[in-house]
Amino acid sequence: GAGVSQSPSNKVTEKGKDVELRCDPISGHTALYWYRQRLGQGLEFLIYFQGNSAPDKSGLPSDRFSAERTGESVSTLTIQRTQQEDSAVYLCASTSRTALYGYTFGSGTRLTVV
Amino acid sequence: AQRVTQPEKLLSVFKGAPVELKCNYSYSGSPELFWYVQYSRQRLQLLLRHISRESIKGFTADLNKGETSFHLKKPFAQEEDSAMYYCALSGSGSRLTFGEGTQLTVNP
Repeated sequence: GAGVSQSPSNKVTEKGKDVELRCDPISGHTALYWYRQRLGQGLEFLIYFQGNSAPDKSGLPSDRFSAERTGESVSTLTIQRTQQEDSAVYLCASTSRTALYGYTFGSGTRLTVV
Repeated sequence: AQRVTQPEKLLSVFKGAPVELKCNYSYSGSPELFWYVQYSRQRLQLLLRHISRESIKGFTADLNKGETSFHLKKPFAQEEDSAMYYCALSGSGSRLTFGEGTQLTVNP
């Protein structure tokens, strides 16, 4: 596609429910990243996929968070048993080779847990 | 560990005045540094990379390894420069570490 696409753009969910966020990277981009941005704070790294290599999950804050990516296509970030502190904008980015070439970001998913 | 610090959350200048957004980093090796910008209601986008030695929209940034800084500068600020600016660092090339951002407001 022309850019990185994320869906939904907004999601309101009740505490305790599971949510699934989707990211469709630029075609041909081998690397895909998920970040979280809480209100008034910077971008917090969550997980990184590079081609068919094992993902770097070092930023996932708890075992309620998981992410998958099939090959070099769509990725989904799943948050189980959502908590109010999960409320944030979840950003996805992709890049053609490494981070040195700069990320292309999606517009994000604003998650609100009530 | 790698860390990026942007000491100013808010910065306000008048149109035509010089502007400097500060960025300091902590990394034991040779980092690559970036500036990203987010204009109102737009997605976050790359502004410039140290590796490219480029000037974009009149902005420049110099890597000072002695002071571990990568400050973003523009000699004459314009109203359209008002945005959120993030400094970012890549140590190994695998991913970026971002600062908390500086909200720049350029007043008429």
